Amino acid sequence: QLLESGGGLIQPGGSLRLSCVGSGYSFTNFGMSWVRQTPAKGLEWVSIIDGGGDSTFYADSVKGRFIISRDNSKNTLYLDMRGLRVGDTAVYFCARMFCANTACFGRELGTWGQGTLVTVSS
Amino acid sequence: SYELTQPPSVSVAPGQTATISCGGNNVGSKSVHWYRQKPGQAPVVVVFDDSDRPSGIPERFSGSNSGDTATLTISRVEAEDEADYYCQVWDSTSDHVVFGGGTKVTVL
Repeated sequence: QLLESGGGLIQPGGSLRLSCVGSGYSFTNFGMSWVRQTPAKGLEWVSIIDGGGDSTFYADSVKGRFIISRDNSKNTLYLDMRGLRVGDTAVYFCARMFCANTACFGRELGTWGQGTLVTVSS
Repeated sequence: SYELTQPPSVSVAPGQTATISCGGNNVGSKSVHWYRQKPGQAPVVVVFDDSDRPSGIPERFSGSNSGDTATLTISRVEAEDEADYYCQVWDSTSDHVVFGGGTKVTVL
């Protein structure tokens, strides 16, 4: 099970940290990803991280502003967002990959959380 | 950057077959995954690695992938299949996960 938190209303230019707690499995054995969805649009990938936290990649739209990280001792995935824009308004999902290493980045996102809403508005 | 193109909508009568395409440059060389998303819910994998089904997904769901087009086929469509469907790949050139724009399946 995955449970996101940290969403809310934030002004443009502000910062926010999202968290995703995994339970019921060995957290370190799985890579993780953040995916967002706006009310009018489809799914947009945001970022991905391997099981050890050593390899990360970002969508062009968030690179340099968002940082993905994980604390395996706390079974928790993070997304630190800064320089938030109105266009970042979305429901943010965390999702679990099939396995831990970067070779698994091409695999499906098998388990998803229910999402947390981030609203960027003045 | 790599792009996947899906039709915005597909309409199908109950009991008939729905076909959803996912177009991309040489997508046949990549593994394609398909997700179903119902309103207010998180996406769920219905097909992975082009044509495999997770446990619990009916055999009515099948996938194929060749050339520049991947396809999700839903046979004997039921009312419960009404949802948005997304294809997804990993683009190793850009190190990006890529989603298609999504297809809304309406059961008439």
